[in-house]
Amino acid sequence: DAGITQSPRHKVTETGTPVTLRCHQTENHRYMYWYRQDPGHGLRLIHYSYGVKDTDKGEVSDGYSVSRSKTEDFLLTLESATSSQTSVYFCAISYLAGGGNEQFFGPGTRLTVL
Amino acid sequence: QKEVEQNSGPLSVPEGAIASLNCTYSDRVSQSFFWYRQYSGKSPELIMSIYSNGDKEDGRFTAQLNKASQYVSLLIRDSQPSDSATYLCAGRGGGATNKLIFGTGTLLAVQP
Repeated sequence: DAGITQSPRHKVTETGTPVTLRCHQTENHRYMYWYRQDPGHGLRLIHYSYGVKDTDKGEVSDGYSVSRSKTEDFLLTLESATSSQTSVYFCAISYLAGGGNEQFFGPGTRLTVL
Repeated sequence: QKEVEQNSGPLSVPEGAIASLNCTYSDRVSQSFFWYRQYSGKSPELIMSIYSNGDKEDGRFTAQLNKASQYVSLLIRDSQPSDSATYLCAGRGGGATNKLIFGTGTLLAVQP
């Protein structure tokens, strides 16, 4: 297994509260990604990072922010959680090698916003 | 057209049969493709990658890429009940940022 952990693994919170999810890797990979997975929509990219302090938006970035202050950690923050952000969140990592782009996923965080 | 499209299934096959999973993609997706297996409640697990036209075999799995038809497939030989899962097809998007674009997945059910 790729050395990726996510915390917390489960969280229940209330509408309007801030939430931070953490992704930690031990692989020293350059690229890190945050996805959400919802029935009927598959995996959708929220934000990604291509290095320390280098981040960019994905296709569903509204309501989310990220930070990457060191190679191993990528944080996803919901500034004011809404019920539409109830989802399963996956972190992924990849390295650029040989033109491929294998991404390896963490175990996921199940977030419920009441 | 969706960038990566899969039939949601379920695809039901008897144990020991060949399961054929298919995926089509648009012009916005480049030539690197990946198949992930996802068990219920678990994270996606990479099982195959394919970068060039033709077939790539790994054990019971064969990935096929047809660039002219913009079509990717995954064949699972001698299907086992343990292969029952959702299979996600993904292709690399444009640019240098290594973004992947995922299909919504096909649910495979292997009947004992």
